[in-house]
Amino acid sequence: NAGVTQTPKFQVLKTGQSMTLQCAQDMNHEYMSWYRQDPGMGLRLIHYSVGAGITDQGEVPNGYNVSRSTTEDFPLRLLSAAPSQTSVYFCASSSIGGYTFGSGTRLTVV
Amino acid sequence: GENVEQHPSTLSVQEGDSAVIKCTYSDSASNYFPWYKQELGKRPQLIIDIRSNVGEKKDQRIAVTLNKTAKHFSLHITETQPEDSAVYFCAAIAGGTSYGKLTFGQGTILTVHP
Repeated sequence: NAGVTQTPKFQVLKTGQSMTLQCAQDMNHEYMSWYRQDPGMGLRLIHYSVGAGITDQGEVPNGYNVSRSTTEDFPLRLLSAAPSQTSVYFCASSSIGGYTFGSGTRLTVV
Repeated sequence: GENVEQHPSTLSVQEGDSAVIKCTYSDSASNYFPWYKQELGKRPQLIIDIRSNVGEKKDQRIAVTLNKTAKHFSLHITETQPEDSAVYFCAAIAGGTSYGKLTFGQGTILTVHP
């Protein structure tokens, strides 16, 4: 039981590039979310999903897309990277209790 | 939407003292309140949670209290130890279709001095 697995752990992008952050969970959790954490700030919700095929926007969705084709996977796509998207990204999943977080992806956009 | 306010932003205590962190929430539909601990460079980890039908919950040195009427909940850590030093986040979730929206407070940096 690996929990929530995020890849990659580190990534450097050039402005304007696109990429996908991967997130997979093996706990059969219905709920999955993506957060970003900037220095000195808390965790801000980007997008979330309440089940396969169902996604919704969080607090800071602009510049990001998500899809949930399976229960296990919830990838986050950066459409055209900007320096303001430099952050640590966490994926999390839950059944009906507390969320379990992945180890994070540290993204730098130059 | 839900708004969670957390205080204080920093808290410094001596080893063995108690620490209290307080949060308020805005959405009366919120019914689940977890607390997370995040060590430097690590992921947030759930340390305790409480549901709206319970007023208090304890787990060894950690306790959480909830006042639904006042819309506030608190984390209490007794007999603090240096390894309790971390950032602590409170959070709130509303039920039903909003269950996926976990809203966090701004965090409290707890420092426990030996």
